[in-house]
Amino acid sequence: DTEVTQTPKHLVMGMTNKKSLKCEQHMGHRAMYWYKQKAKKPPELMFVYSYEKLSINESVPSRFSPECPNSSLLNLHLHALQPEDSALYLCASSQVWGPNTGELFFGEGSRLTVL
Amino acid sequence: GEDVEQSLFLSVREGDSSVINCTYTDSSSTYLYWYKQEPGAGLQLLTYIFSNMDMKQDQRLTVLLNKKDKHLSLRIADTQTGDSAIYFCAESSGSSASKIIFGSGTRLSIRP
Repeated sequence: DTEVTQTPKHLVMGMTNKKSLKCEQHMGHRAMYWYKQKAKKPPELMFVYSYEKLSINESVPSRFSPECPNSSLLNLHLHALQPEDSALYLCASSQVWGPNTGELFFGEGSRLTVL
Repeated sequence: GEDVEQSLFLSVREGDSSVINCTYTDSSSTYLYWYKQEPGAGLQLLTYIFSNMDMKQDQRLTVLLNKKDKHLSLRIADTQTGDSAIYFCAESSGSSASKIIFGSGTRLSIRP
């Protein structure tokens, strides 16, 4: 199994809603990532978890709250989002995280629209 | 800081070779990658090269690395319509706070 599975594929939410994006991998990878991708732009790193601990937070607003319940799961909790947060949210994993991080395996993404 | 640059568009005729270019700034980069993204999908790793290599070939794909000029290229031989996608060059920072930094992406379109 070389897949990273993300749910939901599409999400529409209002600015007062609370929702969550979920990501799962069963490759035994110990590093998991959230990226945000706006249209016609490259993915931008948001968070890195290594061995279930938050290792990088790229100054992401607190309305995005990541959680790594175990080595296979990564969540992104969303609350009080703004319309400009509408984007494709990509989850990725790699065997490890560090100076020689190798291949990132990406999910298909969750397309979020904030009204 | 790290920066990865690519041209935004490339159009090639079906059957010709495509060459996508990339420049990067972090001389300590250990890995350099090429990812492919089709519309509405996530990113798929096509190939990667270690920074101590000059060239890597994998079927229709050839990666060339000029470490002195910090220039990376991806050549796709016999380009097919299924190769239409956005291609991202990326580098893995060699620093301890490792990040994978993506270029802006090159949109490859294939004309008949």
